[in-house]
Amino acid sequence: GDSVTQMEGPVTLSEEAFLTINCTYTATGYPSLFWYVQYPGEGLQLLLKATKADDKGSNKGFEATYRKETTSFHLEKGSVQVSDSAVYFCALSDAGNNRKLIWGLGTSLAVNP
Amino acid sequence: DAGITQSPRHKVTETGTPVTLRCHQTENHRYMYWYRQDPGHGLRLIHYSYGVKDTDKGEVSDGYSVSRSKTEDFLLTLESATSSQTSVYFCAISGGTETQYFGPGTRLLVL
Repeated sequence: GDSVTQMEGPVTLSEEAFLTINCTYTATGYPSLFWYVQYPGEGLQLLLKATKADDKGSNKGFEATYRKETTSFHLEKGSVQVSDSAVYFCALSDAGNNRKLIWGLGTSLAVNP
Repeated sequence: DAGITQSPRHKVTETGTPVTLRCHQTENHRYMYWYRQDPGHGLRLIHYSYGVKDTDKGEVSDGYSVSRSKTEDFLLTLESATSSQTSVYFCAISGGTETQYFGPGTRLLVL
């Protein structure tokens, strides 16, 4: 079945460092891909999404490109801030199946000043 | 922000007691979901609803039941709470697109 694999954390960076969180997927169809962020003590928020191959999603300085050839949707940010400390989840849509999403296990990011 | 509330936000209960968690939305979205979040397991789908009175099981439905008698409310019931059901429970909704919007969560501790 369809699945999502994201890099294990925790990831620890210094402020202004470059961030990459890897996400790869397996899917039989043409899913949409998502990144969600969860700040401490809160629910998940949509960070960005892409609905077809070669689309780039972007928000708050974060970017991810839907790469069908490598089945990847890696999250990047050029210069992280302490306020980016959170858990990041990659997900894909279970096409046609009641709008369910298939989730990665999450990657914890800690940014130190 | 999507209008989703969950109640209660925190609950402590004893093993063997029934517990009901409520998810309320003001977005008139068709789809609603209950997840649990546990360290090392990410998010796991418990039950979901695709319309009033239309529900189905997710991957970890044993020990849980749900009801949706109106569009805005989706109830999750732990029939007889066990310590393994100690978790953080999230409700999510989805409407015109595949994007899901999440509530703030309910922290449940079963003693």
